[in-house]
Parts: sequence; C-alpha cells; structure tokens
Amino acid sequence: GENVEQHPSTLSVQEGDSAVIKCTYSDSASNYFPWYKQELGKGPQLIIDIRSNVGEKKDQRIAVTLNKTAKHFSLHITETQPEDSAVYFCAASINNDMRFGAGTRLTVKP
Amino acid sequence: GAGVSQSPSNKVTEKGKDVELRCDPISGHTALYWYRQSLGQGLEFLIYFQGNSAPDKSGLPSDRFSAERTGGSVSTLTIQRTQQEDSAVYLCASKQRGGAIQETQYFGPGTRLLVL
Repeated sequence: GENVEQHPSTLSVQEGDSAVIKCTYSDSASNYFPWYKQELGKGPQLIIDIRSNVGEKKDQRIAVTLNKTAKHFSLHITETQPEDSAVYFCAASINNDMRFGAGTRLTVKP
Repeated sequence: GAGVSQSPSNKVTEKGKDVELRCDPISGHTALYWYRQSLGQGLEFLIYFQGNSAPDKSGLPSDRFSAERTGGSVSTLTIQRTQQEDSAVYLCASKQRGGAIQETQYFGPGTRLLVL
C-alpha cells in the first residue's frame, strides 16, 4: 500500500520568513495530493491540493509543487505569520484510499 | 453550509466500558471515513463507507472496534471493552463521492476519548 513520509517533524521560523515542508510517497499510481492544517483542538482543514496532472499550484502565500518522477511534493508558505502556526499534514491518494504523513509542527515566532 | 459534525466532543470513560462516537457527514456526501489520531501523531485510517457498498474495515485495529452507517448518512463508531491505549482523537471525514474521481475529504472537529 501507499506509504507517505513527511519532513521535518518540527519547524520553527521567524515571522516573515518562508517555510517548506516536504513529503514523499511510494505508489506511483497516487494521483491526488492534499495538504491539511490542523490547529490545536480542531480537525484538519484543507488548505491546498494538487492533482497529478499539475506540477505547481499557488494560492496567495501558499504553494505546492509536485514531482511525479521523484514521487515527492512540497508545501511552501511565504511571508509566514504567527497564525500560520499549526500542524500540517500531507496526504497521497489513490481512488478512495488516502494515506497521511506524520505531520509537521510549524511554529512562527513573532 | 454545515460541515461535518461529531459528538461528543470529549469523552472520558473507564477501562472496560463501551463507548459510541457519532459522526454527521456533510449532507449529500456519500463517502465517510473514520481515522484515529494519537497524541502528536498522524492520522491512522480505521474504516471507510461508500454508499450502500460493504465498508472497507481494513484499518480497524481489533475486533473491539466496529462501525455502522445508517441510511447512508450518520455513522457510529463503537469501541467495546475500552483499553487505555484507545485514548486518542477520533476523526470523521466525508467526501462528495467515491470511486476514481478524487474529491476532497472534509474533517469534523473530532472526539477526544480518554480511557482511565
């Protein structure tokens, strides 16, 4: 089955800096890659997603890149703000089967 | 519109007791998932429902865990004879349809279960 690895497990940046979180997946048939943000005491919320026919997608300060050949995808957050502090999860999906990375705890220091 | 709702939000129980966790998916969503999230960990898949098809139970950790979905909407996750290692956040997610077309999963706020 699909295996998703996520790095780093924790990330601390200064406000205004960029943050990058990387994930790799094992099954080349995976074709949908969402990213979720989970704030303390809440369920994960989708922040951006990318499908396998697209290499890059951007939404304001958030961007995701996908390299199908290398089977990795990354989340980029620019101009980080304290409210970006949360746990971020990547996932890779084949049809109905979605597997999640272990999460990255991002702390943005003011 | 209304999102995925779960109840209770918190549950404290004694070891050996049974618990029931409820999930109300987004109206019209045919696919429903249950996940378990242990403290500081990622999401562990438990079970998946799609319409009237037989559920995918491959993620259930033991026969103490079961789930049902009545009328294709509300789902209940039952844990019998709870153990301390069952303590976790139980998350429910729904999506518009299953199959080969990818649709986003929308998560509820979770039920925080503590087994004493």
